Amino acid sequence: NAGVTQTPKFRILKIGQSMTLQCTQDMNHNYMYWYRQDPGMGLKLIYYSVGAGITDKGEVPNGYNVSRSTTEDFPLRLELAAPSQTSVYFCASSYPDSGSGNTIYFGEGSWLTVV
Amino acid sequence: QQQVKQSPQSLIVQKGGISIINCAYENTAFDYFPWYQQFPGKGPALLIAIRPDVSEKKEGRFTISFNKSAKQFSLHIMDSQPGDSATYFCAASNRGSTLGRLYFGRGTQLTVWP
Repeated sequence: NAGVTQTPKFRILKIGQSMTLQCTQDMNHNYMYWYRQDPGMGLKLIYYSVGAGITDKGEVPNGYNVSRSTTEDFPLRLELAAPSQTSVYFCASSYPDSGSGNTIYFGEGSWLTVV
Repeated sequence: QQQVKQSPQSLIVQKGGISIINCAYENTAFDYFPWYQQFPGKGPALLIAIRPDVSEKKEGRFTISFNKSAKQFSLHIMDSQPGDSATYFCAASNRGSTLGRLYFGRGTQLTVWP
């Protein structure tokens, strides 16, 4: 089972460049998320989507954009990259169950450095 | 505002010892408390979770203790092994909310020495 797949794994960007982090999941989950992880700061929610065509901002959305045209795919776009966007990015998905709770499945991460 | 406060930030334990990580929350609407484990170079993965109708949940060497009145919960790793070396995140959510969004602690980096 592939689960949540992110590409690329590593990327170096120059200041001002743009790029898209790709994410796809094969679990038919309706909820998808993008998090960033910085040392000692935990996981910060950037954007999330509750279904195709529906997206919303998380805690730290500035400098990012997302789209959700299909259930499977949830790309994250960085416009005008800045050094503050150097981080590890995780895509995730889930099918929240109000009974048992929301189990989130994470991808393996994308390491982004902006220089 | 940090919804879930986690301590310590790092922890070093001898092999065979007990590792204890603590978390606290303020929002009384939270009713689901999972712990995620993250190995270097990998994404976090669900380790164990508890609902507030019980005070303790055990899965193998991993135990969650939950104190509803104090709004605290903790992860205990018994007989800690070098393979347990990882970053551990506590989290909390309200299962009845639309998103069921998880609020994560800042993480604890556990190192178990052989």
